[in-house]
Amino acid sequence: DVKVTQSSRYLVKRTGEKVFLECVQDMDHENMFWYRQDPGLGLRLIYFSYDVKMKEKGDIPEGYSVSREKKERFSLILESASTNQTSMYLCASTRSYTEAFFGQGTRLTVV
Amino acid sequence: AQRVTQPEKLLSVFKGAPVELKCNYSYSGSPELFWYVQYSRQRLQLLLRHISRESIKGFTADLNKGETSFHLKKPFAQEEDSAMYYCALRATGGSYIPTFGRGTSLIVHP
Repeated sequence: DVKVTQSSRYLVKRTGEKVFLECVQDMDHENMFWYRQDPGLGLRLIYFSYDVKMKEKGDIPEGYSVSREKKERFSLILESASTNQTSMYLCASTRSYTEAFFGQGTRLTVV
Repeated sequence: AQRVTQPEKLLSVFKGAPVELKCNYSYSGSPELFWYVQYSRQRLQLLLRHISRESIKGFTADLNKGETSFHLKKPFAQEEDSAMYYCALRATGGSYIPTFGRGTSLIVHP
C-alpha cells in the first residue's frame, strides 16, 4: 500500500513562529509537491521538487520555502507564520506520468 | 498556461438521480485529465483518469477535445458519493505538475 505521510494532522502556531511541515513518501517518487487547500479556491501549488535538492516555485510561494535533502522527504517551511497562512496543507508525490498520491493533510491554525 | 474550471461549487441531488459534475480545461497541447475525490476525513485520492477509460464506482468521464471538457457522470447517485470532487489536468510531453480546479462539493440526499 503506497503511502504519503505528513508528520502532523493538526498544528496550532503563533504569529511570527517558524513552522515546519514534514512529508515522507515510500514509493521512490521523483516528484513531490506542496499544495494549499482552501474552500472555494481548490488546491493551489506552493512549491514542487523534481529531484533531491531541486525546488521550483508554484503559484503561491510567498511566505514559504521548502527543503528536499532526501528523495523521500519534502519539507515546507513557513519562515514567519501569519494568520493568512491558516489553511489545510497537502503534500503529494508522483512519478512522471502517474497520478498524484496525497498525504492526509495538515490543518494549520496560526493565532 | 493550463487552467481547469469547475463552474459549480456545490451540487445537491437526491439518491437515485443522475449526476454530472462539470469540468472544462484550457491547454494548448494534448492534456491528461483526472478526477480526484475527497470523502469526509479522508485523503484526496484518484477516482479516474481519462486514458484508462474505466468506470469507477459507477462514475465515467469522457474527454471531449472539441469542447475541452471532461465531465464526470453517474446515472444513479448514492449517498456514499457525497464528497468533494476535483478535476485535474497534467500536460503530456514533459510537465508532470497537476493543475487542479476549485472543486465541486456533491451532496446526495436520502
